[in-house]
Amino acid sequence: QLQLQESGPRLVKPSETLSLTCSVSGGSIRTTDYYWGWIRQSPGKGLEWIGSIYYSGSTSYNPSLRSRVTISVDTSKSQFSLKLSSVTAADTAVYYCATGARAPGYYYGMDVWGQGTTVTVSS
Amino acid sequence: IMLTQSPGPLSLSPGEGATLSCRTNQTTSNSYLAWYQQKPGQAPRLLIYGASRRAAGIPDRFSASGSGTDFILTISRVEPEDFAVYYCQHCESTSLMYTFGQGTKLEIK
Repeated sequence: QLQLQESGPRLVKPSETLSLTCSVSGGSIRTTDYYWGWIRQSPGKGLEWIGSIYYSGSTSYNPSLRSRVTISVDTSKSQFSLKLSSVTAADTAVYYCATGARAPGYYYGMDVWGQGTTVTVSS
Repeated sequence: IMLTQSPGPLSLSPGEGATLSCRTNQTTSNSYLAWYQQKPGQAPRLLIYGASRRAAGIPDRFSASGSGTDFILTISRVEPEDFAVYYCQHCESTSLMYTFGQGTKLEIK
């Protein structure tokens, strides 16, 4: 069964780049059957999709974050990563990685989530 | 696409039925609508995909329906462990972008 685990610095300074990694276990990241995504949740707020990547390397990003986000996959390490540049206090949030099955013409939802990691932007 | 959930907090007693609404601002295919449950300090849990299909391990007291712009999540008899925040989510089929509703908190009355 697929499992995901986020890792990365918990504290980032304003204007710097937030970098997180999601490690995939219990299954292969080298598959076209799944997509890999990042979602965040600011304190006391709802869920915000950041972006997703597919085995092909194609990506889709939240338009509100697109200029600052890069998501990539490292198949050799069975990991996918998030980079968010020029962070401000508004980027303080719990960051989740998640995945789900994909198929043409259908959406199976995000059925596997990491536990989430809290990232604080502060000097 | 924007998703609007209602009601605001929903206060119920255990054993009562719950009806949560998710409205999209554009007509959407049922295939691209999902529901999640999130408890404090936990990651979201997938409940429903394809607008009406229960995810693995989800009790049958959870059901969902809807089409077009109006979607409903129903809990037939609320159990104590069901008090949580519920989110609907849409996947845009062409751009593969995802949007969450703002959430509905189901709280104990």
